[in-house]
Amino acid sequence: SQQGEEDPQALSIQEGENATMNCSYKTSINNLQWYRQNSGRGLVHLILIRSNEREKHSGRLRVTLDTSKKSSSLLITASRAADTASYFCATALDTGRRALTFGSGTRLQVQP
Amino acid sequence: GAVVSQHPSRVICKSGTSVKIECRSLDFQATTMFWYRQFPKQSLMLMATSNEGSKATYEQGVEKDKFLINHASLTLSTLTVTSAHPEDSSFYICSAPLRGRVDTQYFGPGTRLTVL
Repeated sequence: SQQGEEDPQALSIQEGENATMNCSYKTSINNLQWYRQNSGRGLVHLILIRSNEREKHSGRLRVTLDTSKKSSSLLITASRAADTASYFCATALDTGRRALTFGSGTRLQVQP
Repeated sequence: GAVVSQHPSRVICKSGTSVKIECRSLDFQATTMFWYRQFPKQSLMLMATSNEGSKATYEQGVEKDKFLINHASLTLSTLTVTSAHPEDSSFYICSAPLRGRVDTQYFGPGTRLTVL
């Protein structure tokens, strides 16, 4: 069963604004990853944060991880219309199993 | 980075027919590959783990006789949807982890299956 939940399910913002998406999970993890998916297309890996890390940056992306609360957030700063997509968090369990468990996703719409 | 391809990218078939989807790791070897299914506006759900040289491992609720998986070589896994029904219409995505790297895996571009 899907273990991750994301909120909001949908988010609509104006270009230039920041977008924050949250992800919660249920079991102990080895790492948590964020992916982007444009409509009907494959996944694009955005960023990975390990269980012993609390924050990570990559360009306009900032990811936080709180293992005590089993939650993560993805912040996209200065959003662009091209950021319009669905965003998924995915967790790798600490059991060593390498299959990923995906969150329910957030559909982000950036209005130009 | 490493590349995983899928073929076909789109397929439309009639009910009752079988459809084969290929997943290839183009520049690395993958002893394990994963198959996911994604229904419209939903998330990805793991269907099965494909293991080179041994039987696939299926997730609970996934019919192994309906979704046949063959990991023929270190670079190829195939998913065959047998006796397809309209409810099998979905987006099927494979992924392959990089050997020796526990946190790196590459996703294929996906295959859109439509069963009429």
